[in-house]
Amino acid sequence: KNEVEQSPQNLTAQEGEFITINCSYSVGISALHWLQQHPGGGIVSLFMLSSGKKKHGRLIATINIQEKHSSLHITASHPRDSAVYICAVVGDKLIFGTGTRLQVFP
Amino acid sequence: GAVVSQHPSWVICKSGTSVKIECRSLDFQATTMFWYRQFPKQSLMLMATSNEGSKATYEQGVEKDKFLINHASLTLSTLTVTSAHPEDSSFYICSAPYGSGNGEQFFGPGTRLTVL
Repeated sequence: KNEVEQSPQNLTAQEGEFITINCSYSVGISALHWLQQHPGGGIVSLFMLSSGKKKHGRLIATINIQEKHSSLHITASHPRDSAVYICAVVGDKLIFGTGTRLQVFP
Repeated sequence: GAVVSQHPSWVICKSGTSVKIECRSLDFQATTMFWYRQFPKQSLMLMATSNEGSKATYEQGVEKDKFLINHASLTLSTLTVTSAHPEDSSFYICSAPYGSGNGEQFFGPGTRLTVL
């Protein structure tokens, strides 16, 4: 079993839909990253959080340390949100989830 | 936000040659940088931690002599793939934490290596 699990692996949505991507982990962590990787390969850090909730524009990230679970929400999704979203936890080292491939159709 | 650059963005080389990839933190200093490898449709895998002024720390299964890392300054780390083989073809990405070692990670745009 992977130390960091994401679900779903693939997700398609219509423009405007509310999207949730989940991340569960089994190791002790000090923080968790949500990353976005576009088809060209470049990775953008969306959030780093260690407790509670953070919001940036249409993106919201939450983390529950006791339950070892984090979610990334996208409100009013748009085709430009199409990308792979990766959860990465900061333990002894950075451990990455397998990613969620999101496609948003107009 | 902080910026990390990588050079080159892509490289094609013949089997047996060595390829050097640079990772630079453009507007902040990084005593630690990380090197990752990503195969198609797979997640990133940490290869090694680059430490300024000391030897790199390699993850299990990563050959030190194959993947040479040099952290020459507080803003530059290099990864040299020595005697490259087709199986080394991959996407190589670096990151650097902003602030302390556990600070937010900023990622380079990646280098796509193709070994013929």
